[in-house]
Amino acid sequence: SQQGEEDPQALSIQEGENATMNCSYKTSINNLQWYRQNSGRGLVHLILIRSNEREKHSGRLRVTLDTSKKSSSLLITASRAADTASYFCATDGGLTFGSGTQLTVLP
Amino acid sequence: GAVVSQHPSWVICKSGTSVKIECRSLDFQATTMFWYRQFPKQSLMLMATSNEGSKATYEQGVEKDKFLINHASLTLSTLTVTSAHPEDSSFYICSARPFTDYGYTFGSGTRLTVV
Repeated sequence: SQQGEEDPQALSIQEGENATMNCSYKTSINNLQWYRQNSGRGLVHLILIRSNEREKHSGRLRVTLDTSKKSSSLLITASRAADTASYFCATDGGLTFGSGTQLTVLP
Repeated sequence: GAVVSQHPSWVICKSGTSVKIECRSLDFQATTMFWYRQFPKQSLMLMATSNEGSKATYEQGVEKDKFLINHASLTLSTLTVTSAHPEDSSFYICSARPFTDYGYTFGSGTRLTVV
């Protein structure tokens, strides 16, 4: 099964700053997804990027994909305290997750 | 949008008893659903893949007789933790994918505490 590994494991920033987290995976993919999980809750699907796409935007989210490096990044612009959560990536096999990036946005 | 409903949100049970967790796809049919387990501050671990009308596929190290999965309809999968022990206490989450080439939709999770 394929696995996404996120880094950094933890990120703490001030409100208004941008947050960037990265994901690496091991084998070829058709798409890659990013999810958010608030403490003690289920995961929320944020965005999906296909293997033939290099960049995708959704609101304050920007995702890039580099299939040659088997990596993706998630950028959250103008962060808010409500963005505090764990962020995970998953590939289209989709079934295994890395340990996630714990983002803390300080007010 | 696609919604997966999971019930209950939390449950406390005594050691030795069994607990059933339900996962429903509300506005789409899910021939396959996935069950995960998550310990505090850790990632999701896939336990099993639930297949409608057939046996579930369990990940290595997951006891089939301990975690019974039933997927009797296109919108409902259940996970039963049998003879629960305190070490089974965890956060259990289900998911399904409405369409191919689409993200997974997750239930809100079930916090199981075995006392």
